[in-house]
This record gives sequence, structure tokens and C-alpha cells, in this order.
Amino acid sequence: DTGVSQDPRHKITKRGQNVTFRCDPISEHNRLYWYRQTLGQGPEFLTYFQNEAQLEKSRLLSDRFSAERPKGSFSTLEIQRTEQGDSAMYLCASSRGVLDEQYFGPGTRLTVT
Amino acid sequence: AQSVTQLGSHVSVSEGALVLLRCNYSSSVPPYLFWYVQYPNQGLQLLLKYTTGATLVKGINGFEAEFKKSETSFHLTKPSAHMSDAAEYFCAVSEASGTYKYIFGTGTRLKVLA
Repeated sequence: DTGVSQDPRHKITKRGQNVTFRCDPISEHNRLYWYRQTLGQGPEFLTYFQNEAQLEKSRLLSDRFSAERPKGSFSTLEIQRTEQGDSAMYLCASSRGVLDEQYFGPGTRLTVT
Repeated sequence: AQSVTQLGSHVSVSEGALVLLRCNYSSSVPPYLFWYVQYPNQGLQLLLKYTTGATLVKGINGFEAEFKKSETSFHLTKPSAHMSDAAEYFCAVSEASGTYKYIFGTGTRLKVLA
């Protein structure tokens, strides 16, 4: 069990650029979640995958955001035409089953200048 | 809709004193409840969880919490604070169905005074 990993840990980009983040969940976990955390707030749910199927998306996930989980393994979160309001910590979490807690990665901190 | 309220965005205690962090939730169905701790520039680490069974749950690092359905509360306690407990603490709730996504409170930053 090597834990949930996220890459990159930090990303600085200029407004209008596209960015992509990667999450590698714990290997036997079929449930994968993305959250966004802004300063002084708790994480907010963005989207959920069960295996490769994206089963729920938050209203926070505008058309500029897209997430994938090909083959039910790692996941990517892409933000197109970034805005300053996208600056936040993006957290990935995975879990094995419905009674199991979510294990969180260290997050990707995005700064849009 | 579910929601979580954490009373007190900042709590200060003396080393060795009781830690009490408050969490109240609203949910139309019996929820699952969690406490996570976040150290600076790190992800969230589970302290403890309530899903079913005993309402008093014990977690890591000497923390415990009690699920009180009548009060819709899940307060976190620790008998004696240690300097290493200084961190941000998040209470979360999930429905016991569907995606099991978490709804988090806004967090409580715990400061431990020497």
C-alpha cells in the first residue's frame, strides 16, 4: 500500500492556459473522488468514478473541467482556459468499498496568475 | 441536502488540557461520519469514523468521538493535548448510499499552547 499519489504537487500557470493533474489511487481501490479545497474552507466534492465510469459531477465542475479514468486505474483532471478563481488545492481520494474511508493524496496546489 | 457545521474556526488549548472540537450535521438519512486531520501542505489523514455499531468510536493519536443522533452531533475529543496535535481538523459526512461522497465542514484550526 503506497498510498494515493498526485502529480504535480504544485502548478503555477497563467490565466487562459490549460492544465492537467494526475491521480494514482491505491491499487485495489475502485472508487475515486476529486475534491477542491480553497483557503480557509473544507474540501468540496467535484466528481466521482467507480472503476472507469464517471457517475457523478458537481455543479462546481464547469464545462472547462473534464476528468477521466481510463481503464479504471489512474485519473486525470483537466482545466481548460484557467481563471484566477481556479486557484485552489485539488485533492484526489480513493476507497475500496462503501464502508471504507477515503484515502487522500497530498494534493496539487494550483496557482493561476 | 446534507451539511456539516464546525463551531469555532480556531480553538486554542494548553498542552495537557482537554481538546473538544464540535461538529453538527444535517442529513435526511443515517449518515456515515468522519474526522480528518490536515497538517500544513499535506493531504487529509483519517482520525476516526462512524458507520454502524458502537456510537463511541476511538481513533488514532488518542482521539475519540461520540455519535449522538438526537443531537445530530459528532464531537471530537482528546483528554490531553500534545503540541503535535496542532493542525486543522475537518468533520465530514456521507450518505450511506449512492456515491458516498463526503460533505466537509469548514474546518477547525487547533493551536496548542506550551
